[in-house]
Amino acid sequence: SQTIHQWPATLVQPVGSPLSLECTVEGTSNPNLYWYRQAAGRGLQLLFYSVGIGQISSEVPQNLSASRPQDRQFILSSKKLLLSDSGFYLCAWSQQGSGELFFGEGSRLTVL
Amino acid sequence: ILNVEQSPQSLHVQEGDSTNFTCSFPSSNFYALHWYRWETAKSPEALFVMTLNGDEKKKGRISATLNTKEGYSYLYIKGSQPEDSATYLCAFPPASGGYQKVTFGTGTKLQVIP
Repeated sequence: SQTIHQWPATLVQPVGSPLSLECTVEGTSNPNLYWYRQAAGRGLQLLFYSVGIGQISSEVPQNLSASRPQDRQFILSSKKLLLSDSGFYLCAWSQQGSGELFFGEGSRLTVL
Repeated sequence: ILNVEQSPQSLHVQEGDSTNFTCSFPSSNFYALHWYRWETAKSPEALFVMTLNGDEKKKGRISATLNTKEGYSYLYIKGSQPEDSATYLCAFPPASGGYQKVTFGTGTKLQVIP
């Protein structure tokens, strides 16, 4: 069966520090991969998606970047965090051609 | 950016009451609509995929209907139980953009009071 894991679950970082959130999927190959963010009081906002290794699409201009170094690994990064980067980040995957998303456990980022 | 709205934003019901809430979406170029349940401290989980106008899906006490012509979907919960407490999200992939660009509604947070 397929599983998805993301870490760390909780992160408290000072403004200006770097960020790395990691997500891995097991039990499937060539998945679509996604990073979503839920800011306080708002819905899930799509940040990045990837249809293959090295292929990243960004949905909103921001202080973050994403990379997909391996087929089932998706990383969300920042060189210098801003206060506005605080939120709950979710990694997800889907089969190619399917809209059903399977989510990771989430990472809560607090930038102080 | 697609406009997907959910109402109400939050809802408190007594155990045993039935309830329903709405997801509104653009009626043009409809492709599919997904409902997810997001329990506190867990990941969102898929409930239903709705694809055809008039679709009605059911899972236990939860059911959903779809009207693509007027651009809305209803989620119903019959005889609410405390374990139904969660945020219910609808998600709308654009027909032109493909599934990579799913837009989520802001969700309806349901609290079932024992």
